[in-house]
Amino acid sequence: AQRVTQVQPTGSSQWGEEVTLDCSYETSEYFYRIFWYRQLFSGEMVFLIYQPSFDTQNQRSGRYSVVFQKSFKSISLVISASQPEDSGTYFCALSELGSFNKLTFGAGTRLAVCP
Amino acid sequence: DPKIIQKPKYLVAVTGSEKILICEQYLGHNAMYWYRQSAKKPLEFMFSYSYQKLMDNQTASSRFQPQSSKKNHLDLQITALKPDDSATYFCASSHGLGGLYAEQFFGPGTRLTVL
Repeated sequence: AQRVTQVQPTGSSQWGEEVTLDCSYETSEYFYRIFWYRQLFSGEMVFLIYQPSFDTQNQRSGRYSVVFQKSFKSISLVISASQPEDSGTYFCALSELGSFNKLTFGAGTRLAVCP
Repeated sequence: DPKIIQKPKYLVAVTGSEKILICEQYLGHNAMYWYRQSAKKPLEFMFSYSYQKLMDNQTASSRFQPQSSKKNHLDLQITALKPDDSATYFCASSHGLGGLYAEQFFGPGTRLTVL
């Protein structure tokens, strides 16, 4: 069964700091993808980055990168040089191969970046 | 210009009534989805469609019926509304159900309140 856990309900940082948000997941599939989304205070969901299970290289996109620890079934989102505009709720989501791209979301981590 | 349009933004309904939530995407995507976000649960997958065909249904109740009249439309009909149906309903789309471009892009959501 799929399950995604984000144990940090909240987080905070100062402007310019690096932020790490953690996620762990359960899956019995070999092929899967982990996605990160940010939900703005307006409710809008914004896609950030994703990591395919078959790629051992940590993905990067702008100020976002991931630390993928496949053997531990954990993945962290790293935001470099955080800014107040990065504030919001960050969701980790799992999609297994053959699941018709169904996303199983974690409960989210609400991040506040202080100026 | 918004790429995924959801209408209405807010909706108030009485118990037992029926409502239709509208979703249109202008990203040229072939796959569309519905998710629900309530105060009590994280984002939950409801349906996935590909080329206007239902691929997956994770909704236990038949009161929720997706309707796809065009490739870029996926409406959600909800009948016999209950207060527990109160949630924000998100429509999403992606190029396909897998592969390199499987990331889903979300619409702004329809916030439904059932009294």
